[in-house]
Amino acid sequence: EAGVTQFPSHSVIEKGQTVTLRCDPISGHDNLYWYRRVMGKEIKFLLHFVKESKQDESGMPNNRFLAERTGGTYSTLKVQPAELEDSGVYFCASSQDGAGGRTGELFFGEGSRLTVL
Amino acid sequence: QKEVEQNSGPLSVPEGAIASLNCTYSDRGSQSFFWYRQYSGKSPELIMFIYSNGDKEDGRFTAQLNKASQYVSLLIRDSQPSDSATYLCAVNPMEYGNKLVFGAGTILRVKS
Repeated sequence: EAGVTQFPSHSVIEKGQTVTLRCDPISGHDNLYWYRRVMGKEIKFLLHFVKESKQDESGMPNNRFLAERTGGTYSTLKVQPAELEDSGVYFCASSQDGAGGRTGELFFGEGSRLTVL
Repeated sequence: QKEVEQNSGPLSVPEGAIASLNCTYSDRGSQSFFWYRQYSGKSPELIMFIYSNGDKEDGRFTAQLNKASQYVSLLIRDSQPSDSATYLCAVNPMEYGNKLVFGAGTILRVKS
């Protein structure tokens, strides 16, 4: 079974440009999350989709970030325009609903490294 | 104060020894606790989770939770060089969902 896949693995752009990151969750996982790790900091939550709906986007830093999950399958995260402080590793993760009401294990992708020059 | 604190390390242990990794958290209402292992450039991989006070064992790994002290630890017995990685402590403040709060991670080096 394929895991969570992310594309591109590394993107280098200039300040002011646009970048779109893509995530393909594990097939059948309704829950999709975006997390981000900036240099030297902790991995931080950005947002959570349940199928195609945004369940929680409280971690999105500002309106330069736009996440979509059309059709409840893959998701994209667009940064427009990119700023220097957006550099970091963007992780996507997915999970099923677990037994007993708890959410199932979170499976992470390998991340998309974004460098803004 | 950080929400989840870990010693960044590196923690160096000889092969075969017990590695002890520690984590404290600030939200007393936190519901579930996770340990992830991350090799350089790879995805974080869940190795242990614990919901209740006490110990939980899985193979060479034991997770320990003390909610009164807001402390969670991971013990790795018979450490192997392949255990060398960054270990991330993560806390879920809620019972549902996976809006995890991560620590910065502890680097573990197992010397052969």
